[in-house]
Amino acid sequence: DQQVKQNSPSLSVQEGRISILNCDYTNSMFDYFLWYKKYPAEGPTFLISISSIKDKNEDGRFTVFLNKSAKHLSLHIVPSQPGDSAVYFCAASAGSGGSNYKLTFGKGTLLTVNP
Amino acid sequence: KAGVTQTPRYLIKTRGQQVTLSCSPISGHRSVSWYQQTPGQGLQFLFEYFSETQRNKGNFPGRFSGRQFSNSRSEMNVSTLELGDSALYLCASSLAGQENGYTFGSGTRLTVV
Repeated sequence: DQQVKQNSPSLSVQEGRISILNCDYTNSMFDYFLWYKKYPAEGPTFLISISSIKDKNEDGRFTVFLNKSAKHLSLHIVPSQPGDSAVYFCAASAGSGGSNYKLTFGKGTLLTVNP
Repeated sequence: KAGVTQTPRYLIKTRGQQVTLSCSPISGHRSVSWYQQTPGQGLQFLFEYFSETQRNKGNFPGRFSGRQFSNSRSEMNVSTLELGDSALYLCASSLAGQENGYTFGSGTRLTVV
């Protein structure tokens, strides 16, 4: 049973435009959400996170939106740059304070930003 | 500061053999987690250790085991290897397991033939 779903295996956008990556979850116990970026032959790199008490978090070009009622979150990248081309993973955690000590990941979305 | 170091980077083993992978966390980090990444399943949680104690374990068979040493370095072991164990094994460290503090290593690519 996949609790975190990224339904788009890939996404292609033009440089300078907005990239929107989507993620859905089924476990209502999840209360902390993260996005990671992964280049080939490297480990995932933390991008941005959001707690369930918020509905938006921004960090530079990256913004994450959380819709708890729909159990949906999205990552917006504006403007998109060729260096953003990578696999993006959505992850979730249950238990504030890290008591669960594990992240549940989606299967990832390959973002390609074309010059 | 040095990142999370995983050794070896690549490994080829034969079915039925066992393998041990190593992870050295960032200095000062006491939590180490292990994940398996495969094309079909994405990243799946294996286990997490803190101060030499396993605090959480994923849904993997008993052939997968791990341990953490007093210096926070961790090893994971897979016995009686199967073809399906071929994957990228990722280690992540954090100060104490906080959700946004996980730093991943580059992984060990295990191929079982």
